[in-house]
Amino acid sequence: EPEVTQTPSHQVTQMGQEVILRCVPISNHLYFYWYRQILGQKVEFLVSFYNNEISEKSEIFDDQFSVERPDGSNFTLKIRSTKLEDSAMYFCAGTGTKGTDTQYFGPGTRLTVL
Amino acid sequence: KQEVTQIPAALSVPEGENLVLNCSFTDSAIYNLQWFRQDPGKGLTSLLLIQSSQREQTSGRLNASLDKSSGRSTLYIAASQPGDSATYLCAPSQGGKLIFGQGTELSVKP
Repeated sequence: EPEVTQTPSHQVTQMGQEVILRCVPISNHLYFYWYRQILGQKVEFLVSFYNNEISEKSEIFDDQFSVERPDGSNFTLKIRSTKLEDSAMYFCAGTGTKGTDTQYFGPGTRLTVL
Repeated sequence: KQEVTQIPAALSVPEGENLVLNCSFTDSAIYNLQWFRQDPGKGLTSLLLIQSSQREQTSGRLNASLDKSSGRSTLYIAASQPGDSATYLCAPSQGGKLIFGQGTELSVKP
């Protein structure tokens, strides 16, 4: 069964550094999402991405964040200058049809900002 | 703004019990609602997707119901097993994005 994969599984970085989190979605998916979960809190929507453009973003997704699909398979989330409060689990997800199909999640990247 | 509440926050039951997890949401304009399972420190495993036009969806020992007009969904787990111990999350879909509840942490004792 196809799976969503994410790398790395754990990233430790210093405050102010740039990080890139990577996701390989299921091949026939067209709509992609990033979510995050701060320890002990709810999973929160960050951004949705379709046809190489951002469809929607939350207020969390400020100018420090960007998303790309650089080569038609990988899907990345970049944080330009990490803050302590960016420490969280980051999940990517995908679906074939907006709104009506199951969203399949990757295993997550745990980001720790020191 | 959609708010999702799950009750109870935690539940501990002996093996074999049937149980119900509750989810309520404030905005009924949803495409569908997904129930997920999350093991500690792990990702989200989709359990059931129930479309906004459906009332129920079943998968094995799991049954999800949806009453969109009243903003409620329930997840029924039959004959619970220790392997069912996890956090269960409900997430209605609005505009494609999922809005998550805090979850119900379930512990099934052998």
